Amino acid sequence: DTEVTQTPKHLVMGMTNKKSLKCEQHMGHRAMYWYKQKAKKPPELMFVYSYEKLSINESVPSRFSPECPNSSLLNLHLHALQPEDSALYLCASSYRATGYEQYFGPGTRLTVT
Amino acid sequence: QQQVKQSPQSLIVQKGGISIINCAYENTAFDYFPWYQQFPGKGPALLIAIRPDVSEKKEGRFTISFNKSAKQFSLHIMDSQPGDSATYFCAASPYSGGGADGLTFGKGTHLIIQP
Repeated sequence: DTEVTQTPKHLVMGMTNKKSLKCEQHMGHRAMYWYKQKAKKPPELMFVYSYEKLSINESVPSRFSPECPNSSLLNLHLHALQPEDSALYLCASSYRATGYEQYFGPGTRLTVT
Repeated sequence: QQQVKQSPQSLIVQKGGISIINCAYENTAFDYFPWYQQFPGKGPALLIAIRPDVSEKKEGRFTISFNKSAKQFSLHIMDSQPGDSATYFCAASPYSGGGADGLTFGKGTHLIIQP
């Protein structure tokens, strides 16, 4: 089983709202990732958590705040977003903390109005 | 700086034909090279991956060919079917000495298999 689940599937928020994206995996994977994908573009890495600790932040604006409460759960807290932040937000996980064999969830389609 | 260059941007292949997508990389620290398939509105799905210690890996109709000296790798889809119509991304990741690292993706190839 290589399932990564993400909720919600779709999210519309205003620029003053605070919302959170949730990602869950029950495969015992030790690394989890957030990627952002704009239309007709490849995914771009945002954050990497390895053994529940933030190991990589790809210079992401502070209006995006990741959190890893436990080894199965990854959150992305959103605040004061801009319309250009509208995108598909993808979560991924990998068993080994090497970055290999990353399995992606279905994504959350975010629209900022 | 684009670290993984992918071509072609789009590809049309007849049903039953061979689809070939190519990627080239520059960073010699990369040592893991996966291919992902993505359908509209879905997350990328891991298809097949290779490490530099082998020159070819085959899984069903999908084959990766890897040329370490040329820093190139390619995906071959044999007996292409209409259900293979999707966007394909090559990617690469370095060995991080025990720490997880993200994937660097190519720009993608939009593949259409004509019946």
